[in-house]
Amino acid sequence: GAGVSQSPSNKVTEKGKDVELRCDPISGHTALYWYRQRLGQGLEFLIYFQGNSAPDKSGLPSDRFSAERTGESVSTLTIQRTQQEDSAVYLCASSRAGGRTYEQYFGPGTRLTVT
Amino acid sequence: GNSVTQMEGPVTLSEEAFLTINCTYTATGYPSLFWYVQYPGEGLQLLLKATKADDKGSNKGFEATYRKETTSFHLEKGSVQVSDSAVYFCALSKVFGNEKLTFGTGTRLTIIP
Repeated sequence: GAGVSQSPSNKVTEKGKDVELRCDPISGHTALYWYRQRLGQGLEFLIYFQGNSAPDKSGLPSDRFSAERTGESVSTLTIQRTQQEDSAVYLCASSRAGGRTYEQYFGPGTRLTVT
Repeated sequence: GNSVTQMEGPVTLSEEAFLTINCTYTATGYPSLFWYVQYPGEGLQLLLKATKADDKGSNKGFEATYRKETTSFHLEKGSVQVSDSAVYFCALSKVFGNEKLTFGTGTRLTIIP
């Protein structure tokens, strides 16, 4: 079946502009995660959605970052007033539910470059 | 807080060599441990996992054993192939109900024929 999809695959934007990144999780997956990977660093957790529960936003680096999810489907990560340090690959992952043994399936990522 | 430290790369080996990529972690309680792999041009995918102490995860000839006494989860393979060339990430998750992953920085492995 279809995996996690993300769009766009690449985004180049000017400093100060807003960007929206989209994630389509695997159908039926109730848990959705956003991570980012800056050059030469590991993946950093950003935000977690699980069903109708309040999202865990503890990883968002500043109030310029926000994310929404419509039900158990699409999620959008928005970065306002982008800065050069926001340049990274943004990865979305989904899993069947929050739990110790459920695998997270990752999308191909969106490469964001802020000039 | 939780953290994962893994072997710095890049690592270059000849085909059929023995591979070890070290990974240690810091976490309270009993995290689940994972190795993820990213092949060139592909997305991140789970390679293997272990959810409790002394468990051994294995897949595609790779193995890793959850060692609580040394807080380690080293990745090993007895005979690597060119197709194993990829970036390998060690990760842990904790807190039942929110399996956010804490990753190491990744180790780039290149296998030469």
